[in-house]
Amino acid sequence: QTVVTQEPSLTVSPGVTVTLTCASSTGAVTSDYYPNWFQQKPGQAPRPLIYSATKKHSWTPARFSGSLLGGKAALTVSGVLPEDEADYYCLLDFGDVRVFGGGTKLTVL
Amino acid sequence: EVEMVESGGGLVQPGGSLRLSCAVSGFTVGSNYMSWVRQAPGKGLEWVSVISSGGDTYYADSVRGRFTISRDNSKNTVYLQMNSLRADDTAVYFCARDLSTGNYNYYWGQGTLVTVSS
Repeated sequence: QTVVTQEPSLTVSPGVTVTLTCASSTGAVTSDYYPNWFQQKPGQAPRPLIYSATKKHSWTPARFSGSLLGGKAALTVSGVLPEDEADYYCLLDFGDVRVFGGGTKLTVL
Repeated sequence: EVEMVESGGGLVQPGGSLRLSCAVSGFTVGSNYMSWVRQAPGKGLEWVSVISSGGDTYYADSVRGRFTISRDNSKNTVYLQMNSLRADDTAVYFCARDLSTGNYNYYWGQGTLVTVSS
């Protein structure tokens, strides 16, 4: 069974740059897995942020960026704001199944 | 305007069945990849199933053989038939629509809660 791993939690101060990662138990994450990133705040449905590893939606703030880094998918937030406090999930496409990572709880203190 | 409304959730006993519906407007389900994603209370997102525009269906290992995704193009609705329900199927179930290859779960419904308990 394929497992997708994210940092369970990260705590940062406002204004810093933070990178969340998404790893696959099958090996290196490549663009072939079409990494997608979602942000979820309490009581809300997830909101798409990044698709196909690096592409932003029209509503994605410029401070969010996606990349492939060291065999993982990565979501970088440059200049974290208090409103970025949320849960972040990556999603990988393995062809016949899709798998979400366990999520990263980003706390901004 | 795109709208997706899930329904059919509720309380069901272990071993029971439930059918969830996702009624959509603003696009046609038959022309899009439609997914079900669930979230257990206080837990993360779990991909459940997808039906392609061509009608191919795919399932997570945890539900394969128990759940069936389908659609009714005339009603513009996607369904999730859930059989042999277990306590660990308790979750909010969301339906979602892909926008294109690689651009997954672009639109989301608000979810419907399924509780499996005796």
